[in-house]
Amino acid sequence: GDSVTQTEGLVTLTKGLPVMLNCTYQTTYSPFLFWYVQHLNEAPKLLLKSSTDNKRTEHQGFYATLHKSSSSFHLQKSSVQLSDSALYFCALRANSGTYQRFGTGTKLQVVP
Amino acid sequence: EAAVTQSPRNKVTVTGGNVTLSCRQTNSHNYMYWYRQDTGHGLRLIHYSYGAGNLQIGDVPDGYKATRTTQEDFFLLLELASPSQTSLYFCASSERGLVFFGKGTRLTVV
Repeated sequence: GDSVTQTEGLVTLTKGLPVMLNCTYQTTYSPFLFWYVQHLNEAPKLLLKSSTDNKRTEHQGFYATLHKSSSSFHLQKSSVQLSDSALYFCALRANSGTYQRFGTGTKLQVVP
Repeated sequence: EAAVTQSPRNKVTVTGGNVTLSCRQTNSHNYMYWYRQDTGHGLRLIHYSYGAGNLQIGDVPDGYKATRTTQEDFFLLLELASPSQTSLYFCASSERGLVFFGKGTRLTVV
């Protein structure tokens, strides 16, 4: 079945450094990938989405590129801020599927 | 932005008790979902619906029932609550693939 893998449970970084959060997926259908951000005591909110192979998508300083050849959709930012501390989820909607399947999430902790 | 409202926001119940979590969306989205969020497991789909009277089973349905009474209202029912159902529950609605979440209900089963 469809699945999403996020390998890092917790990433701790100093403010100003770059970050990459890993996301790989498995599906036999055409994938639509999403990144959500969830700040403490809030609901998850959509950060990025893509279904186009090898095209970079950006929002709020974060960016990701869907690579179908490697089944990956890693989230990156060139310089993290304290306000980026949050839980980040990668999600997959396969083909014209009716729901999204989420990864286990990566907690990003940015320290001064 | 789509509005999804959950109630209650917090609930404590005893083992074996009955609990109903409510969700209302005001954007006439066809799809509505119930997820539970647990550390190390992420968001897991319990049930979902694509319209009033419709119900589809998600990935972790055991111990849960759901009912979609109107386009706007989707309920999650725990008829014999167990401590393993202690979790943060999110309702969401979706249209054209974009998902909007409510603020969540924290349920504790003691």
